[in-house]
Amino acid sequence: DIQMTQSPSSLSASVGDRVTITCRASQTISNYLNWYQQKPGKAPKLLIYAASSLQSGVPSRFSGSGSGTDFALTISSLQPEDFATYFCLQSYTTATWTFGQGTKVETK
Amino acid sequence: EVQLVESGGGLVQPGGSLGLSCAASGFTFSNYAMHWVRQAPGKGLEYISAVSSNGGSTYYANSVKGRFTISRDNAKNTLYLQMGSLRAEDMAVYYCARAECSGTRCYFDYWGQGSLVTVSS
Repeated sequence: DIQMTQSPSSLSASVGDRVTITCRASQTISNYLNWYQQKPGKAPKLLIYAASSLQSGVPSRFSGSGSGTDFALTISSLQPEDFATYFCLQSYTTATWTFGQGTKVETK
Repeated sequence: EVQLVESGGGLVQPGGSLGLSCAASGFTFSNYAMHWVRQAPGKGLEYISAVSSNGGSTYYANSVKGRFTISRDNAKNTLYLQMGSLRAEDMAVYYCARAECSGTRCYFDYWGQGSLVTVSS
């Protein structure tokens, strides 16, 4: 199975900060990488699909980059509603998708 | 509006069985593969099972293989997960999710609200 290594596991940031979260795949996954935001008690929300495509309705301060094995999610200017946990998900292999371990973004 | 509404969670003793349902609406259910993902308390997301759009193909993570059964009824627009031989480590919130796949993109675009399964004596 493809392993996804997400880092950092947590970070402290302030409103207005630029935040970057990374995911590394154990083998190439082309651009089959998606990013989700999850708030406590809620289902995950899709932010970015196919590595860099912004899901409809998601603010443009969120962006994704990368291809192959290394990927990043960037929040250009952190807003109060962005304090949450973020997960990457690889969907390269048929029906054996795997998530990253998650990154909790907390207020500094 | 696409909706996935789960039901069936609850408390079960170790070694017991429990079934979850996920009622879909707002889209042509029979056109989409469907999946189950779980999240143990305070932990990350674990992808556990999938079923193809016509129900002919299924997938299970090693952690649940042989104990869980995924199925669907396209006439009723409903996805199921039958869980058996439950263990403490199966305690989690279980989400059903729709997979949108086309070309070089494949992702979960809609999720259920989650159903809590508690395994305890």
